[in-house]
Amino acid sequence: KAGVTQTPRYLIKTRGQQVTLSCSPISGHRSVSWYQQTPGQGLQFLFEYFSETQRNKGNFPGRFSGRQFSNSRSEMNVSTLELGDSALYLCASSTQPPGTGGGGYTFGSGTRLTVV
Amino acid sequence: AQKVTQAQTEISVVEKEDVTLDCVYETRDTTYYLFWYKQPPSGELVFLIRRNSFDEQNEISGRYSWNFQKSTSSFNFTITASQVVDSAVYFCALVYSGGGADGLTFGKGTHLIIQP
Repeated sequence: KAGVTQTPRYLIKTRGQQVTLSCSPISGHRSVSWYQQTPGQGLQFLFEYFSETQRNKGNFPGRFSGRQFSNSRSEMNVSTLELGDSALYLCASSTQPPGTGGGGYTFGSGTRLTVV
Repeated sequence: AQKVTQAQTEISVVEKEDVTLDCVYETRDTTYYLFWYKQPPSGELVFLIRRNSFDEQNEISGRYSWNFQKSTSSFNFTITASQVVDSAVYFCALVYSGGGADGLTFGKGTHLIIQP
């Protein structure tokens, strides 16, 4: 059974540009959540999608957005990139709706974004 | 608000020693899940264990064991007879199991170094 797939693995962008990251969950998983990992702030929750609807969002500016498609694949977009957006972005999939925790969370390998 | 504290930033031990990673959490919720994840240098978060707040049974899986105590809000992780391959960053995390939860709340992580 394939795991959670995130593309691309590495990305280098310039300040002011925008970027789109992709996450394909485990087959049958309908919940996808995104996390940002930086050395200073650690792992922080960005947002979570279930059945194509954003259910929750963390404390991030509006430059961070996302969506989920009917096949449960998800994308997140960051516009007007800042140096501080450099981070490892991790995606997790789950069988259960947000907040239940019962299905557990399986993470992908992440996308490492560097903003120069 | 939820909070997870991993007071040990870094632990270094010699191979075959036992090591315990501490995790203390704060939550007003009565129903929640606790997790431990391992993050090797490759970046992917590898799931180790999930524990329901109603299940205080300790668990042993091979060289790994977990001690969950609601009275002290702790969920500690012990590796017996450590091996070099156990070297990684370990994260403890919490999620409310009711609706509207804001994803996983992670601790800052403990960097475990197993020296040969």
